[in-house]
Amino acid sequence: QSVLTQPPSVSGAPGQRVTISCTGSSSNIGAGHGVHWYQQLPGTAPKLLIYSNTNRPSGVPDRFSGSKSGTSVSLAITGLQAEDEADYYCQSYDSSLSAWVFGGGTKLTVL
Amino acid sequence: EVQLLESGGALVQPGGSLRLSCAASGFTFSSYAMTWVRQAPGKGLEWVSSFRSSDSTTYYADSVKGRFTIYRDNSKNTLYLQMNSLRVEDTAVYFCAKGSRGEWVTPLDYWGQGTLVTVSS
Repeated sequence: QSVLTQPPSVSGAPGQRVTISCTGSSSNIGAGHGVHWYQQLPGTAPKLLIYSNTNRPSGVPDRFSGSKSGTSVSLAITGLQAEDEADYYCQSYDSSLSAWVFGGGTKLTVL
Repeated sequence: EVQLLESGGALVQPGGSLRLSCAASGFTFSSYAMTWVRQAPGKGLEWVSSFRSSDSTTYYADSVKGRFTIYRDNSKNTLYLQMNSLRVEDTAVYFCAKGSRGEWVTPLDYWGQGTLVTVSS
């Protein structure tokens, strides 16, 4: 059971918009600790996609965006493309555990 | 260009030891926090350990505390993870990752390709 809760899977057709939620608690997201999102393509290392809830590193397309509300954050992907098919993980710091915590990951399937 | 290259993964028996290395290049290694993250086969990501650059403070997940040691050699631009008393559940691909700043609670902006550790008799 992960400290940060993500849906195991989401899917969408090319061109559509999908969102992936990441729900935490008052000791992580609700405490104001930034949430970072990573994309892991099959057989590769994770790649930083969104940092500190809403910021995109240089080189990440603006089709990817992050938002936050209370103890939850969301990753939105618009204009879905076949190459977006990957696992997506959220990450934050938990002050009760004094540890980095990851969500369980969400597998995105492009139909 | 930032590059992180892990090595040292192997098949080891339960109770054994192993040292992983992560050779870094393309940035001022001593100025950034570094972290180890692992991924068991078919599973999600799990934070293992981090090293804060400013004062060399180290941090560990409860699952490895007392068994693993993270350290770095700034003269060699290399991060290490000494793993002792290995258990079957330590079987995973181990990634090293660079923090975006010196503090350890920062986004991990570059990752290596990982090295596989298999603990089995």
